[in-house]
Amino acid sequence: DAGVIQSPRHEVTEMGQEVTLRCKPISGHDYLFWYRQTMMRGLELLIYFNNNVPIDDSGMPEDRFSAKMPNASFSTLKIQPSEPRDSAVYFCASSPGLAGKVVEQFFGPGTRLTVL
Amino acid sequence: SQKIEQNSEALNIQEGKTATLTCNYTNYSPAYLQWYRQDPGRGPVFLLLIRENEKEKRKERLKVTFDTTLKQSLFHITASQPADSATYLCALAGTGGFKTIFGAGTRLFVKA
Repeated sequence: DAGVIQSPRHEVTEMGQEVTLRCKPISGHDYLFWYRQTMMRGLELLIYFNNNVPIDDSGMPEDRFSAKMPNASFSTLKIQPSEPRDSAVYFCASSPGLAGKVVEQFFGPGTRLTVL
Repeated sequence: SQKIEQNSEALNIQEGKTATLTCNYTNYSPAYLQWYRQDPGRGPVFLLLIRENEKEKRKERLKVTFDTTLKQSLFHITASQPADSATYLCALAGTGGFKTIFGAGTRLFVKA
């Protein structure tokens, strides 16, 4: 298996532009997570899905952020409009569902976003 | 609010020694505690998971303890090697689901 795939790996954009980050989870994993990592705040959970349904989006910072999972093999995190404070590394992770019990998460390589 | 504290300062040890990393938490009753390793420019990699009813877990040179009374987990790497140098993250999740809270991590440097 190729693991969790994220694209792009690096994104540089200007303030006010729309940014779309993409994730392909590991096949067969029922859970998908979006995280953001910064030096100041560490690794923060933004939202997670179970079987393509958003379960908890309490970590989404503002209405400018939205996430979708149209099918089991694809998810997007969109920021519109982007701001310099959104600059961070965004990770996607997936996890197999074992009777709903927490098990390990498999992280992708991340997307480094820079908003100028 | 829920808070996780890990050694903010880097830990420097000599090769062959045991590294011990600490994770303390407050205002939380996790059902699961996990440890991840993160190398620069990469995503975290899962190492170990321990449940609230377990006191200790081992995997090769790694050992994790979980004390729900002290609200603390200790992570040990025995016979440490330079390749163990990385940032180690502590993560908590409750019984309600997969909502996971990560600590800031501790940087470990193992000198040859």
